[in-house]
Amino acid sequence: QKEVEQNSGPLSVPEGAIASLNCTYSDRGSQSFFWYRQYSGKSPELIMSIYSNGDKEDGRFTAQLNKASQYVSLLIRDSQPSDSATYLCAVFGGYNKLIFGAGTRLAVHP
Amino acid sequence: GAVVSQHPSRVICKSGTSVKIECRSLDFQATTMFWYRQFPKKSLMLMATSNEGSKATYEQGVEKDKFLINHASLTLSTLTVTSAHPEDSSFYICSARDQHLRGPGDGSRPYNSPLHFGNGTRLTVT
Repeated sequence: QKEVEQNSGPLSVPEGAIASLNCTYSDRGSQSFFWYRQYSGKSPELIMSIYSNGDKEDGRFTAQLNKASQYVSLLIRDSQPSDSATYLCAVFGGYNKLIFGAGTRLAVHP
Repeated sequence: GAVVSQHPSRVICKSGTSVKIECRSLDFQATTMFWYRQFPKKSLMLMATSNEGSKATYEQGVEKDKFLINHASLTLSTLTVTSAHPEDSSFYICSARDQHLRGPGDGSRPYNSPLHFGNGTRLTVT
């Protein structure tokens, strides 16, 4: 079983819609969770970090964490074509390592 | 804050030569830095953890004699790809965390600050 799982997509949404990205993880002891955005040919950039159960909002982005279900999600409201990218879920695991999912490719079409 | 600078951004070299990539933390000290490799349309693969003042820790399957890592100061780690071959062509990205950042809440729970990435180095071996 992979440690961090994401649907590879592509997830296609119309401009202005809500994009919902999901991630599950296997290590029940994980405490720190991150979402990164990666444009093609570029390095990942941090979008959100979340440490407690519930929702965390930052502008158009909302991260949701449910530790009991071992589930993290990212909602992007009012999606724009510029949001088209690969979104990486990352979970801080043991041995001081950040474990990445394979990423979900998001395509926002006008 | 937490800016990571990586150089060069792009390098083309001939097969058999060595290439050095530098990674610097600009506004914080990093006792640990991480080196990743990414092939086209694939996810990030952790190659090794660079430890200031001591030996790097390599992931399974990564040849330590081929990918030499040096972390001589709290702000600089280098990755040298030795005797490069075309199959080493890839996107190499370094990252680091500001481990002195204080986390949210009352501090009663473990806090792991996020990794920040350099801009990456695209290596092409001809």
